[in-house]
Amino acid sequence: NAGVTQTPKFRILKIGQSMTLQCAQDMNHNYMYWYRQDPGMGLKLIYYSVGAGITDKGEVPNGYNVSRSTTEDFPLRLELAAPSQTSVYFCASSYSNGGRMVTEAFFGQGTRLTVV
Amino acid sequence: RKEVEQDPGPFNVPEGATVAFNCTYSNSASQSFFWYRQDCRKEPKLLMSVYSSGNEDGRFTAQLNRASQYISLLIRDSKLSDSATYLCVVNTLVTASKLTFGTGTRLQVTL
Repeated sequence: NAGVTQTPKFRILKIGQSMTLQCAQDMNHNYMYWYRQDPGMGLKLIYYSVGAGITDKGEVPNGYNVSRSTTEDFPLRLELAAPSQTSVYFCASSYSNGGRMVTEAFFGQGTRLTVV
Repeated sequence: RKEVEQDPGPFNVPEGATVAFNCTYSNSASQSFFWYRQDCRKEPKLLMSVYSSGNEDGRFTAQLNRASQYISLLIRDSKLSDSATYLCVVNTLVTASKLTFGTGTRLQVTL
């Protein structure tokens, strides 16, 4: 059982380039999340999705876009990369039955991105 | 007020000590609570869920206080390997229930 898979694990981008961070989960979770974590800091939510076709902004969405065309995949797009986007990016998934309960989140191993 | 707040620490304790962390949350309707552990440069991993009646897993005990809106984590007989950042996680209800992470409390266990 793979869980949450992120690719690539490492990437160096030049300022102004674009890229897509891939995230896939095989647990049939309806909720998926993208976080970034700067050195020595906590996780900050970029975007999340409660199901296929539904996405919503987190606390730091500027400079990023997401899509959720399937339950399994939740790619994160960086347009016009900037040095401020140098960070570790984590994708996670969890399950909610639509009520007030949600299961624990499972994380991918992260993507370490450097923008130079 | 932040949705989930933790003391960032660091907590420096000797091996064998007992240490406790608290975490407060702002939404009284929250229903799901967790403690995660994160090692340096690694992904967060679930340590334990927190149930209304409190729960214990070996040296770790988690408690929920709904009236005061906080959860706690107690670590007994600390080991060097317990050194990590401990994240409090709560589901917060905006347009849909989602998990919100605290910024974490750093624990350093020393000889």
